Formats: sequence, C-alpha cells, structure tokens
Amino acid sequence: AQKITQTQPGMFVQEKEAVTLDCTYDTSDPSYGLFWYKQPSSGEMIFLIYQGSYDQQNATEGRYSLNFQKARKSANLVISASQLGDSAMYFCAMREGSLTGNQFYFGTGTSLTVIP
Amino acid sequence: DTGVSQNPRHKITKRGQNVTFRCDPISEHNRLYWYRQTLGQGPEFLTYFQNEAQLEKSRLLSDRFSAERPKGSFSTLEIQRTEQGDSAMYLCSTGQGTYEQYFGPGTRLTVT
Repeated sequence: AQKITQTQPGMFVQEKEAVTLDCTYDTSDPSYGLFWYKQPSSGEMIFLIYQGSYDQQNATEGRYSLNFQKARKSANLVISASQLGDSAMYFCAMREGSLTGNQFYFGTGTSLTVIP
Repeated sequence: DTGVSQNPRHKITKRGQNVTFRCDPISEHNRLYWYRQTLGQGPEFLTYFQNEAQLEKSRLLSDRFSAERPKGSFSTLEIQRTEQGDSAMYLCSTGQGTYEQYFGPGTRLTVT
C-alpha cells in the first residue's frame, strides 16, 4: 500500500483565490509527522509546513495551512490568496516514528498552476 | 539557496561506469538524507545518516549503491556499474531538529 497518496495530478486556481491540495496517508505508527514541500521548475525542494500526529491544532504558516483530519488520515494543504509564484509541484510527505523513524515517504505530487 | 550544496550539478556517464556525488550540509546539521527522483515522481528515500552513522538504507537500494559520511560532515553517494535506469535526479537533504529537512539543488545523472 502507498504510504502517501496524492490523487490530483494537476490543479488550476485563479490568482487571489484559495486552493486545497489533497493528501492521504497510511501508517499504523501512532507517532508520525506530515510535511508539505514545494518544488518550482528550478527543481529545489522547499519546506512549507509541518504537522505532528499529536498536535491538537492544525498547522499554519503564513498563507499555508494544513487541514489535518487524523481519523480520515488526511493532511490537505490549503493555500490562501494564490499568487503566480505559487505555480509549482507540491509534494506531501510523512515521517514515521518520533525516535526511530528515519524514512521520509513522498507522494507523487500535484502540479499547481495559478491563472492570472 | 538553502545552504546545502551538491556537486556536480549534472553528470553524464556511459553505462557501466562508476559515478560519485557529493553533498555538503549546513554545518550544524547532524541528519542527512539521500533521495532519488525520477520525472513525474516524488523523491524516493535511499539512505539516512545521523552524524557519521548510516542508520537506514532503503531495501530498494541495490548493492551497486553505497554512501558514506566520514566525520559526520559531507557525504558521498557512489553508484557502481551504472545502468540506464539509474538516470534520475539525486537529492540530498540535511536537518538538525526532528522535522527539519533542507534540500540541496540536486545532481542530475544521465546514463547513456
């Protein structure tokens, strides 16, 4: 089974609108971390936001927020007020275990295009 | 620029040759990861170092791949007897805290 599933290969959003990128995960470990990364066409991976499995509140970082629904095993990324510079690939990732988990699992990504 | 550097940025090699890539982490970072990314896919975990110790290695990694991190500073990834299927972007990332992970620009390998 896939550890991370991103079902939207491509998404379009109008500039200044909000967009949600979907991510579901699979783990039996009670302790895990969820991440979102942005990869522009230049290729470098940029960390956006982190959510720990025991965090009570949804993580937020500026225009990025993570909609964490533990029971549904989903960790959707919400980008508010989209900008042209947000056009990129977005990857959801998971790290299992707080002390012993050292592997990061990445999804296949969602290509986001912001339309002026 | 995250401060993680990788060299070379591009490598073209003939099938059967050995190649070595280098990753220089941010100086205080004790965690170091290597990934492989092919077109249209997310990064695939290869191996993980904490300081100089290689603590985890993907089961998908063949014996032709080896990585080192002497003295817990820079790391090298070597691929022996390269195959066309090894063509990919090889990414290095480093971190200090539980979830920090800063990626380098990657080394693009083309095996002809």
